[in-house]
Amino acid sequence: QKEVEQDPGPLSVPEGAIVSLNCTYSNSAFQYFMWYRQYSRKGPELLMYTYSSGNKEDGRFTAQVDKSSKYISLFIRDSQPSDSATYLCAMIIQGAQKLVFGQGTRLTINP
Amino acid sequence: DAMVIQNPRYQVTQFGKPVTLSCSQTLNHNVMYWYQQKSSQAPKLLFHYYDKDFNNEADTPDNFQSRRPNTSFCFLDIRSPGLGDAAMYLCATSREDRGSETQYFGPGTRLLVL
Repeated sequence: QKEVEQDPGPLSVPEGAIVSLNCTYSNSAFQYFMWYRQYSRKGPELLMYTYSSGNKEDGRFTAQVDKSSKYISLFIRDSQPSDSATYLCAMIIQGAQKLVFGQGTRLTINP
Repeated sequence: DAMVIQNPRYQVTQFGKPVTLSCSQTLNHNVMYWYQQKSSQAPKLLFHYYDKDFNNEADTPDNFQSRRPNTSFCFLDIRSPGLGDAAMYLCATSREDRGSETQYFGPGTRLLVL
């Protein structure tokens, strides 16, 4: 069993829709949770990181962490074609150097 | 703008011919990482430098080596590339006092092995 599970998709939604991306994890020692966006043939770009359970909002993006269920989500409101990318969840144990990534979900927003 | 720079962006090499990929950063971060990412897969950590201390992942093949001559630069050497080493190679940095949760990635070098 992988430490971090993420549905690879592909996920295709119409412009303006609310997108929900999710990851589950098995290691309760993970304490920091990140979402990266990766455009085709580019490096991952850090979108959001969270520490505690609950919601964190940044513009059209909301990151949600539920440590009791070992489940994290990223919501994208008013999705745009420019949001089309692969979204990678990642997590890390406090004090460790190694990020553990999910496989990534390929998202397409159709105009 | 402070950033992580990787050169070259695309590298073609022959089977068995040594190749070096480079990474530089203007963020003055003390931790630097090298990841390998194959198509439709998550980035896989190869090794990282915590200042000058080299940390190798247990499953990183001996074929992969790294050098960090100073804070700003880090190199990935592939001594004898095989066809299975064709991938995107990503360099990332982080700052110790903020923890490794905020890693900043470069644009990557795509390696093709013929």
